[in-house]
Amino acid sequence: GAVVSQHPSRVICKSGTSVKIECRSLDFQATTMFWYRQFPKQSLMLMATSNEGSKATYEQGVEKDKFLINHASLTLSTLTVTSAHPEDSSFYICSARDGGSGANQPQHFGDGTRLSIL
Amino acid sequence: AQSVTQLDSHVSVSEGTPVLLRCNYSSSYSPSLFWYVQHPNKGLQLLLKYTSAATLVKGINGFEAEFKKSETSFHLTKPSAHMSDAAEYFCVVGRGYQKVTFGTGTKLQVIP
Repeated sequence: GAVVSQHPSRVICKSGTSVKIECRSLDFQATTMFWYRQFPKQSLMLMATSNEGSKATYEQGVEKDKFLINHASLTLSTLTVTSAHPEDSSFYICSARDGGSGANQPQHFGDGTRLSIL
Repeated sequence: AQSVTQLDSHVSVSEGTPVLLRCNYSSSYSPSLFWYVQHPNKGLQLLLKYTSAATLVKGINGFEAEFKKSETSFHLTKPSAHMSDAAEYFCVVGRGYQKVTFGTGTKLQVIP
């Protein structure tokens, strides 16, 4: 089955630090990846759609300069939280859709990254 | 436009009894529908998907869901709950290559 690997699984760092999260599709090519944020006991909130070789599309209210997304290859997208502050603490989840399998394919999710900013 | 409503935020069942998690959708086109499960501090795992083929969809771990267009529903069922089924479940609607819409989730509690 389609596997998405997300690293790291947990990050604890000081305020002002920049944190990079990687999302890899291991056995398929993902022309599109998605980045979500999940608050405790809530559903997933889409932050941005990452397209290979082009700029990410951000959802309304998401700061582009705060959450930098790079999708340099068909199997890797990265999310960098720049100058992180305590309010950025959250659970971040990436997903990828198999671009080679046609439309209406499900998204496959990574295991998430728990980010804690002190 | 599309939306999805999960009618119950919490469902509690006894081990060995049936599970029913309800989901209603709204879509201006023929939708694709998915059910995902999330265990604590984990990502989402796909249980099953409906993409305009058979209306009764069988998934992993004994789960199944039936697409009912007349009722705009896609309820998730399992004949007999297991302790390991305790988790959060999300109903998701989408179409084609567009972004999907998540329901608010249903937390399933299984009582021994």
